[in-house]
Amino acid sequence: SAVISQKPSRDICQRGTSLTIQCQVDSQVTMMFWYRQQPGQSLTLIATANQGSEATYESGFVIDKFPISRPNLTFSTLTVSNMSPEDSSIYLCSVNGQGGKMNTEAFFGQGTRLTVV
Amino acid sequence: EDQVTQSPEALRLQEGESSSLNCSYTVSGLRGLFWYRQDPGKGPEFLFTLYSAGEEKEKERLKATLTKKESFLHITAPKPEDSATYLCAVQAPGSARQLTFGSGTQLTVLP
Repeated sequence: SAVISQKPSRDICQRGTSLTIQCQVDSQVTMMFWYRQQPGQSLTLIATANQGSEATYESGFVIDKFPISRPNLTFSTLTVSNMSPEDSSIYLCSVNGQGGKMNTEAFFGQGTRLTVV
Repeated sequence: EDQVTQSPEALRLQEGESSSLNCSYTVSGLRGLFWYRQDPGKGPEFLFTLYSAGEEKEKERLKATLTKKESFLHITAPKPEDSATYLCAVQAPGSARQLTFGSGTQLTVLP
């Protein structure tokens, strides 16, 4: 299984500011995934981050609001820009097991709990 | 569009009282169905993957089964430490390995 470390684990931010969340994996992976989990709800995929190319965003999520970096095969960042209280959520980084093979389980970081005030 | 519906939303059991959680899914060709456990303040922890109807997987007090329309997570003689939210997710062909999650079942096991 992959070991995923996310930083920060939690933060309280002022509206209008930005927060960058870091995700470090203990092995090289092709794809890294960013999810959002709003209070009391399930996980929603924000985007898929590939090394060496631009991230692919899901419907309802845009690069200007959630810019993503993927500088190498073990690291990615997600920035939540110009935050509003509606952005208060848990943000989760995920990778597929077994070196990114198809049909395999996904592993998750411990999440970043963001509160925007 | 892939859909995953979990029921019940919440379940309270007495310690030792066995029960089942349901995950109904609609997907164009199932590539895999995944069960996760999520404790408060933590990321989901992988439990099982099921690939085809009739398949079963077991781990301690948990057993997952799969049909063509739904999956069940059976909990036998649960203990308070089994209290968590259990999430079901599906993966479909052409989804670039992304998962569609259900809203989860919040399980509370009382001592």
